[in-house]
Amino acid sequence: NAGVTQTPKFQVLKTGQSMTLQCAQDMNHEYMSWYRQDPGMGLRLIHYSVGAGITDQGEVPNGYNVSRSTTEDFPLRLLSAAPSQTSVYFCASSYDPNPNTEAFFGQGTRLTVV
Amino acid sequence: AQKVTQAQTEISVVEKEDVTLDCVYETRDTTYYLFWYKQPPSGELVFLIRRNSFDEQNEISGRYSWNFQKSTSSFNFTITASQVVDSAVYFCALSERTGANNLFFGTGTRLTVIP
Repeated sequence: NAGVTQTPKFQVLKTGQSMTLQCAQDMNHEYMSWYRQDPGMGLRLIHYSVGAGITDQGEVPNGYNVSRSTTEDFPLRLLSAAPSQTSVYFCASSYDPNPNTEAFFGQGTRLTVV
Repeated sequence: AQKVTQAQTEISVVEKEDVTLDCVYETRDTTYYLFWYKQPPSGELVFLIRRNSFDEQNEISGRYSWNFQKSTSSFNFTITASQVVDSAVYFCALSERTGANNLFFGTGTRLTVIP
Protein backbone atom coordinates (compact mmCIF):
# COMPACT_ATOMS: atom_id res chain seq x y z
CA ASN A 1 0.00 0.00 0.00
CA ALA A 2 2.82 2.40 -0.92
CA GLY A 3 0.81 5.18 -2.63
CA VAL A 4 3.12 7.97 -3.85
CA THR A 5 6.79 7.44 -3.02
CA GLN A 6 9.39 10.17 -3.29
CA THR A 7 13.13 9.72 -3.03
CA PRO A 8 15.28 11.03 -1.56
CA LYS A 9 13.68 12.59 1.51
CA PHE A 10 16.53 15.04 2.02
CA GLN A 11 19.23 16.32 -0.33
CA VAL A 12 21.93 18.96 -0.23
CA LEU A 13 23.33 20.15 -3.54
CA LYS A 14 26.00 22.59 -4.51
CA THR A 15 25.13 25.40 -6.88
CA GLY A 16 25.41 24.20 -10.45
CA GLN A 17 24.97 20.51 -9.71
CA SER A 18 22.20 18.55 -11.34
CA MET A 19 20.02 15.89 -9.82
CA THR A 20 16.78 14.00 -10.25
CA LEU A 21 14.02 13.78 -7.69
CA GLN A 22 12.19 10.51 -8.06
CA CYS A 23 8.45 10.00 -7.80
CA ALA A 24 6.64 6.71 -8.22
CA GLN A 25 3.02 5.74 -7.65
CA ASP A 26 1.53 2.26 -7.58
CA MET A 27 -2.13 3.21 -7.99
CA ASN A 28 -2.19 3.26 -11.81
CA HIS A 29 -3.00 6.97 -11.71
CA GLU A 30 -3.03 8.86 -15.00
CA TYR A 31 -2.29 12.29 -13.59
CA MET A 32 0.93 13.23 -11.81
CA SER A 33 2.38 16.56 -10.82
CA TRP A 34 5.21 18.29 -8.97
CA TYR A 35 4.82 21.19 -6.54
CA ARG A 36 7.30 23.19 -4.56
CA GLN A 37 6.52 24.58 -1.13
CA ASP A 38 8.24 27.72 0.04
CA PRO A 39 7.67 29.58 3.32
CA GLY A 40 4.77 32.01 3.06
CA MET A 41 3.93 30.97 -0.50
CA GLY A 42 1.97 27.76 -0.21
CA LEU A 43 2.50 25.12 -2.88
CA ARG A 44 3.12 26.07 -6.49
CA LEU A 45 2.81 23.80 -9.50
CA ILE A 46 6.04 23.12 -11.40
CA HIS A 47 5.09 20.54 -14.06
CA TYR A 48 2.33 18.06 -14.57
CA SER A 49 1.43 15.07 -16.72
CA VAL A 50 -2.00 13.81 -17.77
CA GLY A 51 -0.66 10.48 -18.95
CA ALA A 52 2.42 8.60 -20.12
CA GLY A 53 4.27 10.57 -22.78
CA ILE A 54 2.46 13.82 -22.02
CA THR A 55 3.86 16.62 -19.87
CA ASP A 56 3.16 20.32 -19.50
CA GLN A 57 4.37 23.32 -17.56
CA GLY A 58 2.82 24.67 -14.44
CA GLU A 59 3.24 28.00 -12.72
CA VAL A 60 6.99 27.83 -11.98
CA PRO A 61 8.68 25.51 -14.52
CA ASN A 62 11.98 27.34 -15.10
CA GLY A 63 15.04 25.33 -14.14
CA TYR A 64 13.20 22.01 -14.09
CA ASN A 65 12.58 19.23 -16.59
CA VAL A 66 10.23 16.28 -16.42
CA SER A 67 9.43 13.20 -18.44
CA ARG A 68 6.77 10.52 -18.18
CA SER A 69 7.91 7.39 -19.92
CA THR A 70 5.75 5.11 -17.77
CA THR A 71 2.47 5.53 -15.92
CA GLU A 72 4.18 4.86 -12.60
CA ASP A 73 7.14 7.25 -12.66
CA PHE A 74 7.42 11.02 -12.95
CA PRO A 75 10.97 12.21 -12.21
CA LEU A 76 11.82 15.88 -11.76
CA ARG A 77 15.23 17.00 -12.98
CA LEU A 78 17.10 20.04 -11.78
CA LEU A 79 19.45 20.96 -14.59
CA SER A 80 21.78 23.34 -12.76
CA ALA A 81 20.77 23.85 -9.15
CA ALA A 82 20.49 27.37 -7.77
CA PRO A 83 19.94 28.57 -4.19
CA SER A 84 16.49 29.79 -5.27
CA GLN A 85 15.53 26.14 -5.76
CA THR A 86 15.94 25.43 -2.07
CA SER A 87 12.47 24.20 -1.19
CA VAL A 88 10.35 21.25 -0.23
CA TYR A 89 9.15 19.36 -3.28
CA PHE A 90 5.95 17.35 -3.38
CA CYS A 91 4.84 14.88 -5.99
CA ALA A 92 1.12 14.20 -6.36
CA SER A 93 -1.02 11.83 -8.35
CA SER A 94 -4.70 11.34 -9.05
CA TYR A 95 -6.77 8.72 -10.81
CA ASP A 96 -7.41 10.97 -13.77
CA PRO A 97 -6.87 14.60 -14.83
CA ASN A 98 -10.41 15.67 -13.92
CA PRO A 99 -10.17 18.66 -11.61
CA ASN A 100 -12.56 17.16 -9.05
CA THR A 101 -10.37 14.14 -8.39
CA GLU A 102 -8.62 13.78 -5.06
CA ALA A 103 -4.85 14.19 -5.28
CA PHE A 104 -2.56 11.95 -3.26
CA PHE A 105 0.73 13.48 -2.16
CA GLY A 106 4.11 11.97 -1.45
CA GLN A 107 6.00 12.66 1.77
CA GLY A 108 8.06 15.40 0.20
CA THR A 109 11.75 15.96 -0.58
CA ARG A 110 13.56 18.69 1.29
CA LEU A 111 16.21 20.14 -1.01
CA THR A 112 18.89 22.61 0.05
CA VAL A 113 21.14 24.25 -2.54
CA VAL A 114 24.27 25.83 -1.11
CA ALA B 1 -6.63 34.52 -13.12
CA GLN B 2 -7.12 32.22 -10.20
CA LYS B 3 -6.14 33.04 -6.67
CA VAL B 4 -6.66 31.64 -3.21
CA THR B 5 -6.24 33.86 -0.18
CA GLN B 6 -5.81 32.70 3.38
CA ALA B 7 -5.42 35.92 5.28
CA GLN B 8 -4.76 34.28 8.64
CA THR B 9 -1.09 33.33 8.73
CA GLU B 10 -1.10 31.91 12.25
CA ILE B 11 -3.81 31.19 14.80
CA SER B 12 -3.43 29.98 18.38
CA VAL B 13 -6.32 28.63 20.41
CA VAL B 14 -6.67 26.87 23.70
CA GLU B 15 -7.80 23.27 23.57
CA LYS B 16 -11.59 22.81 23.30
CA GLU B 17 -12.10 26.22 21.72
CA ASP B 18 -13.72 26.46 18.32
CA VAL B 19 -11.69 27.97 15.49
CA THR B 20 -12.54 29.06 11.95
CA LEU B 21 -10.00 29.19 9.15
CA ASP B 22 -10.87 31.57 6.34
CA CYS B 23 -10.43 30.99 2.62
CA VAL B 24 -11.35 33.39 -0.17
CA TYR B 25 -10.90 32.45 -3.81
CA GLU B 26 -10.97 34.05 -7.24
CA THR B 27 -11.64 32.30 -10.52
CA ARG B 28 -13.19 33.06 -13.89
CA ASP B 29 -14.33 29.48 -14.42
CA THR B 30 -17.98 28.78 -13.71
CA THR B 31 -17.08 25.21 -12.75
CA TYR B 32 -14.42 24.79 -10.14
CA TYR B 33 -13.53 22.73 -7.10
CA LEU B 34 -12.36 23.72 -3.66
CA PHE B 35 -10.25 21.65 -1.33
CA TRP B 36 -8.83 21.73 2.15
CA TYR B 37 -5.61 19.92 3.01
CA LYS B 38 -3.94 19.45 6.38
CA GLN B 39 -0.16 19.40 6.79
CA PRO B 40 0.79 18.11 10.25
CA PRO B 41 4.28 18.63 11.67
CA SER B 42 5.40 15.41 10.00
CA GLY B 43 5.07 17.21 6.67
CA GLU B 44 2.72 15.13 4.56
CA LEU B 45 -0.42 16.58 2.98
CA VAL B 46 -3.69 15.05 4.07
CA PHE B 47 -6.85 15.55 2.01
CA LEU B 48 -9.79 16.76 4.10
CA ILE B 49 -12.60 17.77 1.75
CA ARG B 50 -13.56 18.59 -1.83
CA ARG B 51 -16.51 20.78 -2.80
CA ASN B 52 -17.67 21.62 -6.32
CA SER B 53 -18.99 25.00 -7.36
CA PHE B 54 -22.54 23.72 -7.84
CA ASP B 55 -22.89 22.41 -4.33
CA GLU B 56 -23.24 25.09 -1.69
CA GLN B 57 -24.43 22.76 1.02
CA ASN B 58 -22.43 22.99 4.19
CA GLU B 59 -20.74 19.81 5.27
CA ILE B 60 -20.00 18.41 8.68
CA SER B 61 -17.62 15.58 9.43
CA GLY B 62 -17.20 14.95 13.13
CA ARG B 63 -15.62 18.06 14.64
CA TYR B 64 -14.96 19.55 11.20
CA SER B 65 -17.39 21.65 9.22
CA TRP B 66 -17.13 23.65 6.03
CA ASN B 67 -19.11 26.68 4.92
CA PHE B 68 -19.12 27.38 1.17
CA GLN B 69 -20.63 30.68 0.04
CA LYS B 70 -20.41 31.57 -3.64
CA SER B 71 -21.81 35.04 -2.99
CA THR B 72 -18.68 35.94 -1.03
CA SER B 73 -16.30 33.50 -2.80
CA SER B 74 -15.45 31.92 0.51
CA PHE B 75 -14.91 28.37 1.70
CA ASN B 76 -14.30 28.53 5.44
CA PHE B 77 -13.32 25.65 7.68
CA THR B 78 -14.36 25.35 11.32
CA ILE B 79 -12.93 22.99 13.90
CA THR B 80 -15.18 22.51 16.90
CA ALA B 81 -13.72 21.65 20.31
CA SER B 82 -10.15 21.81 19.02
CA GLN B 83 -7.59 19.25 20.11
CA VAL B 84 -3.81 19.31 20.24
CA VAL B 85 -3.75 16.87 17.30
CA ASP B 86 -5.38 19.56 15.18
CA SER B 87 -2.16 21.58 15.31
CA ALA B 88 -1.01 21.78 11.71
CA VAL B 89 -0.82 24.00 8.68
CA TYR B 90 -4.08 24.03 6.75
CA PHE B 91 -4.21 24.80 3.06
CA CYS B 92 -7.18 25.81 0.97
CA ALA B 93 -6.86 25.02 -2.75
CA LEU B 94 -8.76 25.53 -6.01
CA SER B 95 -8.89 23.60 -9.26
CA GLU B 96 -10.72 24.67 -12.39
CA ARG B 97 -12.67 22.76 -15.02
CA THR B 98 -10.24 23.97 -17.67
CA GLY B 99 -7.08 23.21 -15.74
CA ALA B 100 -6.69 19.41 -15.51
CA ASN B 101 -6.20 18.53 -11.84
CA ASN B 102 -3.83 21.39 -11.19
CA LEU B 103 -4.28 22.85 -7.74
CA PHE B 104 -3.82 26.49 -6.79
CA PHE B 105 -3.01 26.72 -3.12
CA GLY B 106 -3.39 29.47 -0.60
CA THR B 107 -0.43 30.33 1.57
CA GLY B 108 -1.73 28.28 4.47
CA THR B 109 -2.79 28.95 8.04
CA ARG B 110 -0.71 27.55 10.87
CA LEU B 111 -2.99 26.47 13.70
CA THR B 112 -1.54 25.85 17.14
CA VAL B 113 -3.78 24.29 19.76
CA ILE B 114 -2.48 24.91 23.25
CA PRO B 115 -3.23 22.24 25.85
